[in-house]
Amino acid sequence: DTGVSQNPRHKITKRGQNVTFRCDPISEHNRLYWYRQTLGQGPEFLTYFQNEAQLEKSRLLSDRFSAERPKGSFSTLEIQRTEQGDSAMYLCASSPPSRGQGTYEQYFGPGTRLTVT
Amino acid sequence: AQSVSQHNHHVILSEAASLELGCNYSYGGTVNLFWYVQYPGQHLQLLLKYFSGDPLVKGIKGFEAEFIKSKFSFNLRKPSVQWSDTAEYFCAVGADGSARQLTFGSGTQLTVLP
Repeated sequence: DTGVSQNPRHKITKRGQNVTFRCDPISEHNRLYWYRQTLGQGPEFLTYFQNEAQLEKSRLLSDRFSAERPKGSFSTLEIQRTEQGDSAMYLCASSPPSRGQGTYEQYFGPGTRLTVT
Repeated sequence: AQSVSQHNHHVILSEAASLELGCNYSYGGTVNLFWYVQYPGQHLQLLLKYFSGDPLVKGIKGFEAEFIKSKFSFNLRKPSVQWSDTAEYFCAVGADGSARQLTFGSGTQLTVLP
């Protein structure tokens, strides 16, 4: 399967612990995005990478959240000192190089479901 | 900041019925528009997209959507639904001609009865 992959698929952690999620985009996709989705809502944008550069960050991304894409391939999202409100599905998406201004679609992975107890 | 409204939270139809799901956005500039679908147990998949040109766009599985700029709408349609169309449907907007930071609606759960 050559789609976006995410690991782990499920993570249960205790409040206060740190967690890290990994996203492997589709090969040759230079754009990578992280979203968060809670029950009954659509995905909410967190951050965007073009190659290794983090170009956009949402106000939702508090200082407890950090994302990296060190070599422009896979990305990690770390949440420090988790809180119960962090419980959500964390989605990763990737896009191919643009064919024109804004003309690229995002391909989503299966997500990592985080439960903070 | 842009926002997206999907007024129908849950739609129930019988097979062969026609479908129209509403999507309205609030943003005055150039937009890129998308419909995504999430089948039970699966990840989000792109149904169709609008970037420019013909406002009537066709997607996979017989779906189409019409961009009406004056109404800030991008409604999804299908003339005859099937049981396999049971899924959650999300409308999304990328502002300023960008598809980077997508804003999603809250989704519409479609249940098709056999």
